[in-house]
Amino acid sequence: SAVISQKPSRDICQRGTSLTIQCQVDSQVTMMFWYRQQPGQSLTLIATANQGSEATYESGFVIDKFPISRPNLTFSTLTVSNMSPEDSSIYLCSVQIRGSSGNTIYFGEGSWLTVV
Amino acid sequence: GNSVTQMEGPVTLSEEAFLTINCTYTATGYPSLFWYVQYPGEGLQLLLKATKADDKGSNKGFEATYRKETTSFHLEKGSVQVSDSAVYFCALSAFNQAGTALIFGKGTTLSVSS
Repeated sequence: SAVISQKPSRDICQRGTSLTIQCQVDSQVTMMFWYRQQPGQSLTLIATANQGSEATYESGFVIDKFPISRPNLTFSTLTVSNMSPEDSSIYLCSVQIRGSSGNTIYFGEGSWLTVV
Repeated sequence: GNSVTQMEGPVTLSEEAFLTINCTYTATGYPSLFWYVQYPGEGLQLLLKATKADDKGSNKGFEATYRKETTSFHLEKGSVQVSDSAVYFCALSAFNQAGTALIFGKGTTLSVSS
């Protein structure tokens, strides 16, 4: 498994501002992902964070709104730009670990953002 | 395309009752299947997984068997506890543009009372 640390764990943000969420993993991983969980909803993949190149975004998510950095194999950031109340969500970092029984995806504890 | 369908909640049980949460999937190829649990106010934790047909994943008294013929991965527990109250998500691994990611069901809320 992996230990995944996210910062901040919670924040209350003003409308129109931007916030950067950090994700640190205790081991080198190839695949890192960012998910969003809106209140009472399931998880939706935002993007795959690629080390040394631009992130790969899922349909409905764009780089201008959710810029992602991945400078090395243990760290990534997600920025939520120009926030509105609709961006109030839990943002989760996740990593894929390759094991003897196949690949498993583990999650950080999430960053709970409320936009007011 | 790939999708996961879970039974709608909430599921309300008394302590020591038997639990089943249904999960069916649609996928191309042979995905791995997972159950994740989210306790109140916490992030997502992997509960169990199965990587091929007829595999049984188990953890903390929970079990699920990968049934290819019925495209199902139902979660079961013989005797639930109050501490099992949480939201349970069924998921499958799928290939996207960048590699592999998870497709989640909508989640099923379980509430266990003493």
